[in-house]
Amino acid sequence: AQSVSQHNHHVILSEAASLELGCNYSYGGTVNLFWYVQYPGQHLQLLLKYFSGDPLVKGIKGFEAEFIKSKFSFNLRKPSVQWSDTAEYFCAVRPGGYQKVTFGTGTKLQVIP
Amino acid sequence: DVKVTQSSRYLVKRTGEKVFLECVQDMDHENMFWYRQDPGLGLRLIYFSYDVKMKEKGDIPEGYSVSREKKERFSLILESASTNQTSMYLCASSFAGEQYFGPGTRLTVT
Repeated sequence: AQSVSQHNHHVILSEAASLELGCNYSYGGTVNLFWYVQYPGQHLQLLLKYFSGDPLVKGIKGFEAEFIKSKFSFNLRKPSVQWSDTAEYFCAVRPGGYQKVTFGTGTKLQVIP
Repeated sequence: DVKVTQSSRYLVKRTGEKVFLECVQDMDHENMFWYRQDPGLGLRLIYFSYDVKMKEKGDIPEGYSVSREKKERFSLILESASTNQTSMYLCASSFAGEQYFGPGTRLTVT
């Protein structure tokens, strides 16, 4: 069974700092990769996704992620965070052709004004 | 916009009660999911359904069952609620791998 690791459980940054959240997965075949975000009091929503093609994926609100197949990684980045980015971020993996999605344990990001 | 609704935002039940959590989606999606979300554990899949009357166990199905009689509705059933089932329950529907989540039901079992 596939698994997803998010190594940072809680990250605190000042506004304008750069962000990188790690995500590693264990699955040897084709995968679809996702980052979801949960703002305080809101639904989980999709931030970005990778299915195929360019391994650098751009999402909403200035976020991007890079798929590195050799490292089984899909790290999330943002050059300059804002206070409104305070949220919990979840990485997720779906093996190609399957419906089941496995989520990581999440990273809570706190941005200090 | 896809809309996924859940019957209750907050629910308090007693140990041993039978609990029904309802989820409805309005986008004719074939796939629907139930997760529980606990601090430090992320989202864990309880059950999912890929068609009416079709279901498959997720990672933590023990103590739960599901029902999908209509395409738009997916119900999670706790046959006999226990305190360790106190959690946030999230329903999702999906299309082409992307999941659309409901607002969640925070269930407390006392």
